[in-house]
Amino acid sequence: ELKVEQNPLFLSMQEGKNYTIYCNYSTTSDRLYWYRQDPGKSLESLFVLLSNGAVKQEGRLMASLDTKARLSTLHITAAVHDLSATYFCAVDLPPTSGTYKYIFGTGTRLKVLA
Amino acid sequence: DVKVTQSSRYLVKRTGEKVFLECVQDMDHENMFWYRQDPGLGLRLIYFSYDVKMKEKGDIPEGYSVSREKKERFSLILESASTNQTSMYLCASSPGQGSRQPQHFGDGTRLSIL
Repeated sequence: ELKVEQNPLFLSMQEGKNYTIYCNYSTTSDRLYWYRQDPGKSLESLFVLLSNGAVKQEGRLMASLDTKARLSTLHITAAVHDLSATYFCAVDLPPTSGTYKYIFGTGTRLKVLA
Repeated sequence: DVKVTQSSRYLVKRTGEKVFLECVQDMDHENMFWYRQDPGLGLRLIYFSYDVKMKEKGDIPEGYSVSREKKERFSLILESASTNQTSMYLCASSPGQGSRQPQHFGDGTRLSIL
């Protein structure tokens, strides 16, 4: 059974600090997704990591993927209040029929304090 | 911009009622998904569909059914609502059968069963 685990589940950090969110998954996959969810809102796609060693950056967020370690990281640089949200990673499973389906992590709720 | 529209943001129903949650997407996507989101459990897949009239069980299908009569519309049905089905329900879509693309999510329906 595929499991996707994130840690920490909750993260409270000061503005200007750096931190990393970890996403571990239990079976082989060569693709990983990161999403962001603002309170009361829907999920939006942040990154798609397509292969081992992939690194993507958008503003203060940088995501990386190590398929051998079955680990992805989401690194936050010099956090600002606007980054407060819940972050989910997701791994897709090869289709048994028709299409890939995702398994989501439990989410990391990030609060950036002014 | 892809738009996934869920019919209600908030819904209150009584135990034993039959409940319909509707989802419509406007991007001609083949794949559609229903998740429920609960604190500490992340997103869990209830059902998905990769084509009209096709459906596949996700991880927690018990107590639910789905209908996809048209490509753009995917309905989730709670046959006889119970209090443990109180949750946030999220609909998502993605392009292409077999496609590995990020999913696009609706704003969610917060369902309370009394």
